[in-house]
Amino acid sequence: GESVGLHLPTLSVQEGDNSIINCAYSNSASDYFIWYKQESGKGPQFIIDIRSNMDKRQGQRVTVLLNKTVKHLSLQIAATQPGDSAVYFCAEGLGSWGKLQFGAGTQVVVTP
Amino acid sequence: DTEVTQTPKHLVMGMTNKKSLKCEQHMGHRAMYWYKQKAKKPPELMFVYSYEKLSINESVPSRFSPECPNSSLLNLHLHALQPEDSALYLCASSQLGDRGEQYFGPGTRLTVT
Repeated sequence: GESVGLHLPTLSVQEGDNSIINCAYSNSASDYFIWYKQESGKGPQFIIDIRSNMDKRQGQRVTVLLNKTVKHLSLQIAATQPGDSAVYFCAEGLGSWGKLQFGAGTQVVVTP
Repeated sequence: DTEVTQTPKHLVMGMTNKKSLKCEQHMGHRAMYWYKQKAKKPPELMFVYSYEKLSINESVPSRFSPECPNSSLLNLHLHALQPEDSALYLCASSQLGDRGEQYFGPGTRLTVT
């Protein structure tokens, strides 16, 4: 669907704290979910993915949780660092191979 | 080499101009993508190529014409654009069947005057 508004939701986090970024997805048939990070002036960068037959997946300092009952996805970043400041997008894989639908995005600002 | 390169970085063009955006990857990926991204918005898929053939066209106006001359290159030809086409155009590539882990270039910032 379309994003609404001119301002991204913002999450302000103190350095060293844990961050939780949330995402609601729309299509109950989506079978693949991904988190991307986009720093200013750069293209999106893959962080972690999860398939619909899982409810949790861990990477380096990141954990993705999937709740299919309420169509909710979250990204947890442990010990947030200044380099984690970016816009974070969730994306869902919709049916056709190669087609991703991105969510609206969340701006994460890490404060010292 | 895990880099996707895009040229030019910035482009300003008039509504009667013809220009092209270029994208290159040397990761052996056989899927390549064009996305459009407006400020403060998520990327929107425009086209997908697999094995150098167009597999998805998201109802993009014909003033945008993609081309995949070989497995490493992807072009986007622009003609008679409108000011509302001003955006960041992102190219991405991935392994076939691995639709999630797409590698994105830095984008071309396009301004149509």
